[in-house]
Amino acid sequence: GNSVTQMEGPVTLSEEAFLTINCTYTATGYPSLFWYVQYPGEGLQLLLKATKADDKGSNKGFEATYRKETTSFHLEKGSVQVSDSAVYFCALTDDYKLSFGAGTTVTVRA
Amino acid sequence: DAGVTQSPTHLIKTRGQQVTLRCSPISGHKSVSWYQQVLGQGPQFIFQYYEKEERGRGNFPDRFSARQFPNYSSELNVNALLLGDSALYLCASSNRGAGSHNEQFFGPGTRLTVL
Repeated sequence: GNSVTQMEGPVTLSEEAFLTINCTYTATGYPSLFWYVQYPGEGLQLLLKATKADDKGSNKGFEATYRKETTSFHLEKGSVQVSDSAVYFCALTDDYKLSFGAGTTVTVRA
Repeated sequence: DAGVTQSPTHLIKTRGQQVTLRCSPISGHKSVSWYQQVLGQGPQFIFQYYEKEERGRGNFPDRFSARQFPNYSSELNVNALLLGDSALYLCASSNRGAGSHNEQFFGPGTRLTVL
């Protein structure tokens, strides 16, 4: 079945550092790929998405590119802020349900 | 516009009891999905309902059931609660029942604790 594997955390960074969270997937067909973010005590918010190979999703300074050849969708941000501290989930959809990775906790220190 | 709403926010039950969780989708959305998020893990798909019919079910026991009402709100029921049912239950709505570009919008969740 479809599945997502993302790098384990926790990740601790200083403000203005570069962030990368690796995500790889296994899927049949052509899934859409997503990054969701969960701030402390809150539900999930869609951060960005890509619906086909070579698409780049971007939002709030975060970017991820749908790489079919490497089955990857790595999340990057060039300069993180304290407010980016959250849990980040990579996910894919195969028609009607989302399959999530285990999540990566990111803490940004001032 | 209001987002996805869920009630209650928190709930404490004891083993063997039954619980009902409620979800109201974004206005105009006809699809509701339920996910279970155990602490430290990613959400796991439980059900999807579209136009009041079950369209998909995850790998959960029959103790879990759900329904969708004519106004597209939904209830998730869990019978014979186990300690392992303690989790954050998330509801998500979308405006379509299927399709790989189907964006889902999540509510804040209901935190269920089973003692």
